[in-house]
Amino acid sequence: KNEVEQSPQNLTAQEGEFITINCSYSVGISALHWLQQHPGGGIVSLFMLSSGKKKHGRLIATINIQEKHSSLHITASHPRDSAVYICAVKPGAQKLVFGQGTRLTINP
Amino acid sequence: NAGVTQTPKFQVLKTGQSMTLQCAQDMNHEYMSWYRQDPGMGLRLIHYSVGAGITDQGEVPNGYNVSRSTTEDFPLRLLSAAPSQTSVYFCASARGGTVTGELFFGEGSRLTVL
Repeated sequence: KNEVEQSPQNLTAQEGEFITINCSYSVGISALHWLQQHPGGGIVSLFMLSSGKKKHGRLIATINIQEKHSSLHITASHPRDSAVYICAVKPGAQKLVFGQGTRLTINP
Repeated sequence: NAGVTQTPKFQVLKTGQSMTLQCAQDMNHEYMSWYRQDPGMGLRLIHYSVGAGITDQGEVPNGYNVSRSTTEDFPLRLLSAAPSQTSVYFCASARGGTVTGELFFGEGSRLTVL
């Protein structure tokens, strides 16, 4: 079993829908990252969380340390949000363990 | 600022050849790392560094060497390329000697080993 599991693996939605991507992990962590990989392959950092909730524009990330679970929400989704969203956790030392990613497609 | 710069973007090697993937950052970040991305798998850590002169192994270090002689540069060396090393490679950096800060990724290097 992978240390980091993302669900769903693939998600297709219509423009304007509220999107939720989930990340569950099996180890104790000190930080969790959400990343976005564009169709062209580039990767950008969206959030780093150690507790609670963060918001940036239409993106919201939450984490529940006790339940070992994080969610990434996108409000009023747009075709430009189409990308692969990746969860990564820091279980210790200076290493990250990554989920396999969630491929999101937003249709106009 | 250029951010994190990786070269080359594409490379084709024959089995047994050696090469170096270059990674440079101009943000004075102490933390730098190399990952490989394979279809159906998440990014996997190859090697990382928390500062000049300090390197450590990640999840999949075999077949790769690194060094960190300056804060700016973190090259990844393939000593004798194998087809199993066909992958997309990403370099990333973060402020301070820790991976709890915002990560900055290079654009990736696609390597094919024949």
